[in-house]
Amino acid sequence: RKEVEQDPGPFNVPEGATVAFNCTYSNSASQSFFWYRQDCRKEPKLLMSVYSSGNEDGRFTAQLNRASQYISLLIRDSKLSDSATYLCVVNRNNDMRFGAGTRLTVKP
Amino acid sequence: DAMVIQNPRYQVTQFGKPVTLSCSQTLNHNVMYWYQQKSSQAPKLLFHYYDKDFNNEADTPDNFQSRRPNTSFCFLDIRSPGLGDAAMYLCATSRDLGPSGFSYNEQFFGPGTRLTVL
Repeated sequence: RKEVEQDPGPFNVPEGATVAFNCTYSNSASQSFFWYRQDCRKEPKLLMSVYSSGNEDGRFTAQLNRASQYISLLIRDSKLSDSATYLCVVNRNNDMRFGAGTRLTVKP
Repeated sequence: DAMVIQNPRYQVTQFGKPVTLSCSQTLNHNVMYWYQQKSSQAPKLLFHYYDKDFNNEADTPDNFQSRRPNTSFCFLDIRSPGLGDAAMYLCATSRDLGPSGFSYNEQFFGPGTRLTVL
């Protein structure tokens, strides 16, 4: 079993749609959690950290469920510019584990 | 304004010819990481430094070595590149406050070095 697993995707959605990504992790001692965005042939960039209480940043909402070892990312009102690969990252003692990523394409 | 800098951005080497990739940071972060990312795959952690302490991943081949001469710089040495080592190599940094403090360990990535092996 992979340490971090994500929806395989790809997700192809129209502009304005709401899309949700899921991620599960296997190490219950994991300490911190993130969603990164990676554009084609570019480096990953932090989208948002994920807090136990859940957090929202504009159109993006992240949730963490430690009991189920599950992280989610919700994108509302999708824009063309949201097209990218979304990477779930789980950290324990600076040992960062990436999910394989979910490819999102937002179409006009 | 650059925070994590990688040089060169593109590197071409020959099969078996040693190559060194460099990373520098202006963030004064105490943790530096090296990742290998192949096409359509997730970044794979090779190793990281916590200050001067080197932490190697169990499945990182011996062919990959690293040096961190000071806080700002970290190098990735590939002693004998093979065709399978062609990839994007990403450097990242984070700030760990240690057991007495809490840190979310957000990572900041450099733009990467794309390595081609001929």
